[in-house]
Amino acid sequence: EIVLTQSPGTLSLSPGERVTLSCRASQSVSSSYLAWYQQKPGQAPRLLMYGASSRATGIPDRFSGSGSGTDFTLTISRLEPEDFAVYYCQQYGSSQFTFGQGTKLEIK
Amino acid sequence: EVQLLESGGNLVQPGGSLRLSCAASGFTFSSYAMSWVRQAPGKGLDWVSTISGTGIGTYYADSVKGRFTISSDNSKSTLYLQMNSLRAEDTAVYFCAKGPTVGKAYFDYWGQGTLVTVSS
Repeated sequence: EIVLTQSPGTLSLSPGERVTLSCRASQSVSSSYLAWYQQKPGQAPRLLMYGASSRATGIPDRFSGSGSGTDFTLTISRLEPEDFAVYYCQQYGSSQFTFGQGTKLEIK
Repeated sequence: EVQLLESGGNLVQPGGSLRLSCAASGFTFSSYAMSWVRQAPGKGLDWVSTISGTGIGTYYADSVKGRFTISSDNSKSTLYLQMNSLRAEDTAVYFCAKGPTVGKAYFDYWGQGTLVTVSS
């Protein structure tokens, strides 16, 4: 099973700041099979990015993704108040899906 | 508009059974694989199971293999999860999710979830 490790666990930032979240895989992941989700308290996850760098429908362009192999990142260019949430990466391989443990973005 | 509505969550004793349902609308249900993903209280996301659009292919996380069974009724656009031999560690909110599709290994729409609590 491929393990995804996200870092840091929690980030305290202010609106307007730029942030980069990391997702590292225990073995190589196809970029086509790497996705990112956003989850707010009491809500279902929302798909942000798929194929490592493609934005899902309706996702603003301040969100971008990159990476390959074992290292992937999600960048938010300028934090808006609604961006403070938990972010998860997810991969698919060998008929199994795994998620990272999440990175929480909190308001400083 | 895609809508996924889960139901069936409840309090159940260890060793008991429960069946979850997910009513789908807004897309051609039989054309898409569907999945269950769970989230234990205060924890992260944990994939449980996926079924192909035809219902022929089923896939399970090792933690539920042999205990849970995923199925679907395309005539009712409804996804199911039969959970047997439930354990305390199965306590979670269970989300129904649309996807994956061929070449697109992600979940693009999610329901709001239904809570399963396994406790004596």
